[in-house]
Amino acid sequence: EAGVTQSPTHLIKTRGQQATLRCSPISGHTSVYWYQQALGLGLQFLLWYDEGEERNRGNFPPRFSGRQFPNYSSELNVNALELEDSALYLCASSLTRAAGSGYTFGSGTRLTVV
Amino acid sequence: GESVGLHLPTLSVQEGDNSIINCAYSNSASDYFIWYKQESGKGPQFIIDIRSNMDKRQGQRVTVLLNKTVKHLSLQIAATQPGDSAVYFCAENGGATNKLIFGTGTLLAVQP
Repeated sequence: EAGVTQSPTHLIKTRGQQATLRCSPISGHTSVYWYQQALGLGLQFLLWYDEGEERNRGNFPPRFSGRQFPNYSSELNVNALELEDSALYLCASSLTRAAGSGYTFGSGTRLTVV
Repeated sequence: GESVGLHLPTLSVQEGDNSIINCAYSNSASDYFIWYKQESGKGPQFIIDIRSNMDKRQGQRVTVLLNKTVKHLSLQIAATQPGDSAVYFCAENGGATNKLIFGTGTLLAVQP
């Protein structure tokens, strides 16, 4: 069974540009979660999508947005990139809405803003 | 605000010894806790979880202890191996918030 896949693995952008990160959940998983992992910090919750709808949002500005497609894959968009957006962005998927239960993480996208 | 913190940012142990990684949480509403292991270049991997109606749960070579009185969580790894070297995160669910709150992580370094 394929795990959670994220693309690209690395992304370099210039300040002010937009970045699009992609996530494919495990087959059959309907919930997708996005987390930001800045250097030296823990994982900060960004967004949760379930059945195509945004269900919960972390304490991030509106320039962080995303969507979930009918096949349950998801995109994270970051507009007007700032240097401090440089981080590892992790996607996780699960079968149920229960927090943490059955979470499987991808390997992440390393975003570098220069 | 909500936070989950770790007492020791780095833990160095000898191969074969037991490791104990500690974690404090602040949200009294949390009723589900998880330990994750993150190796370099990979996403976090689930190790073990525990619900608030329990105070101890054992897995293969790992044990999680929960002390709700002092809001403390610990992960014990028996007979630590070089392959256990990684960053370990504790996480809580903050009650019925459908998101996980992670700590900053502890780096476990196993010396051969």
